[in-house]
Parts: sequence; C-alpha cells; structure tokens
Amino acid sequence: DTEVTQTPKHLVMGMTNKKSLKCEQHMGHRAMYWYKQKAKKPPELMFVYSYEKLSINESVPSRFSPECPNSSLLNLHLHALQPEDSALYLCASSQEGRGMYTEAFFGQGTRLTVV
Amino acid sequence: DAKTTQPNSMESNEEEPVHLPCNHSTISGTDYIHWYRQLPSQGPEYVIHGLTSNVNNRMASLAIAEDRKSSTLILHRATLRDAAVYYCILRVTGGSQGNLIFGKGTKLSVKP
Repeated sequence: DTEVTQTPKHLVMGMTNKKSLKCEQHMGHRAMYWYKQKAKKPPELMFVYSYEKLSINESVPSRFSPECPNSSLLNLHLHALQPEDSALYLCASSQEGRGMYTEAFFGQGTRLTVV
Repeated sequence: DAKTTQPNSMESNEEEPVHLPCNHSTISGTDYIHWYRQLPSQGPEYVIHGLTSNVNNRMASLAIAEDRKSSTLILHRATLRDAAVYYCILRVTGGSQGNLIFGKGTKLSVKP
C-alpha cells in the first residue's frame, strides 16, 4: 500500500466554521507534511511532523492547527479562515532515519473553498 | 534552502524523448536531487532521485553533471499522459529535516 489518503476531497466552509482535514498513510512513514497550493502555483510547505512531533511550522497563521494523533494519521484543524485561504491542501509522507530521506508520497489533496 | 532554476515551460511531441533541465549551482555535497511531477488536478508524484551517479527507473532517467550543479530529467518516449508540471527539488540531508521545498517547475506540454 503506497497510498496517502486525504479526506474530504472537497470542502466548502464559512468563515466562522470549524472543520478538519484528515490524512492517513500505512507505509510506516515517520515524517508527514502539510502543503498549501494555490491555483497555478507550486505547493508551499506549511508543517512537518517527525515521529509525531511538530518539527517545522513555516510561519503559518494560528487559524491552521495541525495534529498528529499517531504515526499513521495527520489532521489539519481549521478555524476562522479567510477567503484567501481557499486552496488545495496536500498531505505527504516519507520515510526518515539517520538524516536520509526517501521519496515522498502525496495524497490527492482536499480542495478547500472558504465563503 | 538551496535553490533550483528550471525553464517555465517546454513542449514535446508524442513518442519523442524529452530533456528537462535543472540548474542548482548552490547544491551542497549531501543534497539529493529529487524530481516530482504534478498532473492536472492531482497531487505531486515522485519521479526519480539521485546524488552523484546517473539513475534510471521505469519512469525516467536522471543525468547529473559531474560538478552536480545541474541535472537533466529524461523521458525516453513522451506520452500525452506525461503532460504535467515537473519540479526539480534539492532534498537537504545535512540538517535535521529533508524537507521538500518546491520551486516554480517546468510545465511540459506534449503534442500528439
């Protein structure tokens, strides 16, 4: 199984809503990532989890709150978002150890629209 | 993070080879060169990676210059399905994280 599964595929939410994006992998990867991608732009790194601990936060606003409940799951909690937060949110995972990183596997993303 | 430079776009004819260049003049000795591609409406997909030697896999070949300041992704016979944005990324292994930082990439169009 080399899949990274993201749910939901599409999400429309109001600016006062609270919602969560989910990501799951069963490849035994210990590094997991959240990316944000606007139309016709490259993915931008948001967060990195390493062994279930947050290791990188690329100055992301606090209305985005990541969580890694276990080594297979990654969540992104959303609260009080703005319309400019509308984007494709991508999850990825990769193996890590001794500073060596293998290829990353990406999910198909959640298309988020904030109204 | 070490940066890469790629052409914004390239065109190819179907069933012909495609050479996608990437410059990475500030690469350090332990940086791996990774290539990913993103088809329309999909997440990025791993293509190939290498350190110093040329690499081949079922999808493509990676040719790395001797000084490692540039590399070329080679698709041996382009198909319509290869139309995508191709990203050349340096994966830092010297630090605590080997994060994938995407540049602008090359949009490859394949003509029938």
